[in-house]
Amino acid sequence: QSVLTQPPSVSAAPGQKVTISCSGSLSNIGDTYVSWYQLFPGTAPKLLIYENYKRPSGIPDRFSGSKSGTSATLDITGLLAGDEAIYHCATWDSGVGSVLFGGGTRLAVL
Amino acid sequence: QLQLQESGPGLVKPSETLSLTCSVSGGSISRSTSYWGWIRQPPGKGLEWVGTIYYTGGTYYNPSLKSRVTISIDMSKNLFSLKLKSVISADTALYHCVRLEDQWPGAAFDRWGPGTLVTVSS
Repeated sequence: QSVLTQPPSVSAAPGQKVTISCSGSLSNIGDTYVSWYQLFPGTAPKLLIYENYKRPSGIPDRFSGSKSGTSATLDITGLLAGDEAIYHCATWDSGVGSVLFGGGTRLAVL
Repeated sequence: QLQLQESGPGLVKPSETLSLTCSVSGGSISRSTSYWGWIRQPPGKGLEWVGTIYYTGGTYYNPSLKSRVTISIDMSKNLFSLKLKSVISADTALYHCVRLEDQWPGAAFDRWGPGTLVTVSS
């Protein structure tokens, strides 16, 4: 069971918006930056968001991140079938001295 | 374009040592803003950070694995390595080598190797 809590699954129709949450505590999300990753089976994870809201080069602005207190969210707008993947949040926990990943959220584009 | 590539045995016996190497191409492993590391994903499970190393040799390990893990760096060959001793079946996973830029501690791993599956079995 992950210290960072994500919903196991979310779903929405093509073109719609979906929000994926990541809940932590004062020693992790409440203390430092959050990153988000996109995972497809058989391929390396891709960094989508870093430092809570920044996008690496090449990541479309349909993906956005935010943080408030001890929670973070990933918003995906204009959903495409190709967005079906598993999404993980990640951060550093100063209490345990470790990088933590959320358990992952499977996105279904219906 | 920076690329990372893992290599090593795909099968390790229980109680033995898992050894993997990550070859870095398209950039220098001694770049002052880069940290290098390993992240693994057991079959059907989520991601788990194993550890991180800086080119000066400074290391940071997952506390749950710290007693068994060693990460080292070879600047002459532009690669870094992972050793995990006394492996058990729970160490079976897809192992990725990764890079983190600019900020440590942090969790923004911006380059990943494709991963190599290591199975622990007799």
